[in-house]
Amino acid sequence: DAKTTQPPSMDCAEGRAANLPCNHSTISGNEYVYWYRQIHSQGPQYIIHGLKNNETNEMASLIITEDRKSSTLILPHATLRDTAVYYCIVRPTGNQFYFGTGTSLTVIP
Amino acid sequence: KAGVTQTPRYLIKTRGQQVTLSCSPISGHRSVSWYQQTPGQGLQFLFEYFSETQRNKGNFPGRFSGRQFSNSRSEMNVSTLELGDSALYLCASSLSGQSAEKLFFGSGTQLSVL
Repeated sequence: DAKTTQPPSMDCAEGRAANLPCNHSTISGNEYVYWYRQIHSQGPQYIIHGLKNNETNEMASLIITEDRKSSTLILPHATLRDTAVYYCIVRPTGNQFYFGTGTSLTVIP
Repeated sequence: KAGVTQTPRYLIKTRGQQVTLSCSPISGHRSVSWYQQTPGQGLQFLFEYFSETQRNKGNFPGRFSGRQFSNSRSEMNVSTLELGDSALYLCASSLSGQSAEKLFFGSGTQLSVL
């Protein structure tokens, strides 16, 4: 299964865009990239996912490079409630996710 | 539509006891998976069930087991509890486990072993 590499922590000023990078150089052609976030002691919350094309929803945008070896999650206007651990996951068939250590994002007032 | 429901939310047990945790997936979802989260090891996959059959299993000892019922509800059991089993246990569900499907998580059961 493809593994991911994320920076352990990042800060972002409130109201600014938060750009969270992820490397997944061993991703296979049919594996999706998923992003989840987790606030302390709660279940992970789905944010967005994509295969090849860039994706946008009400929460965030996902930019996937053409070679699919890396991606960036963009929170367009970060708020204090976006402070959480963000996980980038390459999903195989089935629900055996490998979460890694994620990026701890702190939004600063 | 109700989300993934896990019961109980908190549980305290002593070493050597056994525990059963329950998970009700989102209506219509047939794939249920379980994860353990600890401060030291992070989120780790335990097992996945689909149509009452275990489809995948993580690297955990045989003390950890699970099952799925015909209505897709699932239970996981931990026997002979150890202090290291103290963790947040998360259940997640999806329609069938395909790569394009979203996986939805419950709020978890916080297990403390004394």
